[in-house]
Amino acid sequence: NAGVTQTPKFRVLKTGQSMTLLCAQDMNHEYMYWYRQDPGMGLRLIHYSVGEGTTAKGEVPDGYNVSRLKKQNFLLGLESAAPSQTSVYFCASSPTRLAGGGDEQFFGPGTRLTVL
Amino acid sequence: GENVEQHPSTLSVQEGDSAVIKCTYSDSASNYFPWYKQELGKRPQLIIDIRSNVGEKKDQRIAVTLNKTAKHFSLHITETQPEDSAVYFCAASILTGGGNKLTFGTGTQLKVEL
Repeated sequence: NAGVTQTPKFRVLKTGQSMTLLCAQDMNHEYMYWYRQDPGMGLRLIHYSVGEGTTAKGEVPDGYNVSRLKKQNFLLGLESAAPSQTSVYFCASSPTRLAGGGDEQFFGPGTRLTVL
Repeated sequence: GENVEQHPSTLSVQEGDSAVIKCTYSDSASNYFPWYKQELGKRPQLIIDIRSNVGEKKDQRIAVTLNKTAKHFSLHITETQPEDSAVYFCAASILTGGGNKLTFGTGTQLKVEL
C-alpha cells in the first residue's frame, strides 16, 4: 500500500495564479484532511471531509476550496494564490471507529508551495 | 475553538537523559491527545496518543500523562538517543462521528547531544 500520497511535491506560483493539490489514499479511509504548516505555528486545519461528497471548513479555510468526488481523493484548490499562502501543505486521512480503525491520522509527504 | 499551547519551543538534552514536553488545552470537551514526531523535511508521524479516560500511557521509552482537571498533558522520553532529535507536536481534539479535527501545538525542537 502506498498510504497517503500528494501531488505535486513542489510548486512555485505567481500571485493570482490558480492550482490544485491532489491527495490520494488507498486505505479506504472515510475521513480526509488538509493542513498547512508554517514556521513556528504548527499545523493548522484548512478543510476536512467526513466522506465522499462532503466537505467542511477547518480553522483557516479562507482562500481555499476543496472537493471530494471520490472516496480516495481529496483536492485542495487555490483560485487566486497570494504570498500569504506560501506554506507546506499536508494531507491526512483516518478511518472511522465503525470500520474498526483507531483515531490516528496518517499524513502524506507534503507539498511545498511558494507564491511569489 | 480549541487552543493548544506547547512548551518549551526548543529543548536540548544529553544522550541518555530524559526529555519532557508539556501542553495545555482550553476546551474541556477535548478527549483525544496525540503526539506526533516530525523529522526535518518529513511528514508528521504518530508516536503515542491518549484518550481522556486514561491518565497515563507508556510505550517503551515514551510515555504520556494527562491531567484533565488542569487541562494539561505531557510527553516523557527516557534514555534519549540521537535519533530522537526531531520536532514534536502535541494536539487535541473532540472525537465525534464527524471526523477528528486536530488542533496542534506550535512544536518543540528536541536536540539530543552526544
